[in-house]
Amino acid sequence: GEDVEQSLFLSVREGDSSVINCTYTDSSSTYLYWYKQEPGAGLQLLTYIFSNMDMKQDQRLTVLLNKKDKHLSLRIADTQTGDSAIYFCAESMKSGYNKLIFGAGTRLAVHP
Amino acid sequence: NAGVTQTPKFQVLKTGQSMTLQCAQDMNHEYMSWYRQDPGMGLRLIHYSVGAGITDQGEVPNGYNVSRSTTEDFPLRLLSAAPSQTSVYFCASSSAPGTSGITRKYEQYFGPGTRLTVT
Repeated sequence: GEDVEQSLFLSVREGDSSVINCTYTDSSSTYLYWYKQEPGAGLQLLTYIFSNMDMKQDQRLTVLLNKKDKHLSLRIADTQTGDSAIYFCAESMKSGYNKLIFGAGTRLAVHP
Repeated sequence: NAGVTQTPKFQVLKTGQSMTLQCAQDMNHEYMSWYRQDPGMGLRLIHYSVGAGITDQGEVPNGYNVSRSTTEDFPLRLLSAAPSQTSVYFCASSSAPGTSGITRKYEQYFGPGTRLTVT
């Protein structure tokens, strides 16, 4: 079945770049997403990429998609303390575009 | 717009009790979904709806019921609460494909969550 995997924890120094990685299994996914969750809050869509794209840039965020390896990454440039949160990778299910499969989330800790 | 709202924010139930988690959205979205989030796991889809009067099961539907009598509301019912249902529950909504432009075609908007503990 569909599965999404992420590393659970990442620690970076303020000002450095962060790279959060994700692998997925459903090669027919149409969209892949990155969501951010701050403590006690719901999920906020950060960015997404359509499956026929290799890269998408949105201000400090860069998403890279390697379809051959089914690997997705999110790079945050100039990471700030406000970026500390849990980041979820998600793919749209083959059977329905509004149904998402989420990874377990990567907790990003930014330290001075 | 309030977006997606959920009530209550916190709830403690005893095993066997029933209750309804409320979810409402004011964005006129056709699609609504319920997810649960457990520690160390991603969100898992419980039930979803593609419009008023239409619901379907997600990945983990057992022990939950839903109905969609209006576009705005999508309540989740726990029929007989069990400790395994202790979780944080998120409701989400999105517009139907093709109605909101290609750049936000599949964006789901999430509510703030309901933290449920079953003892």
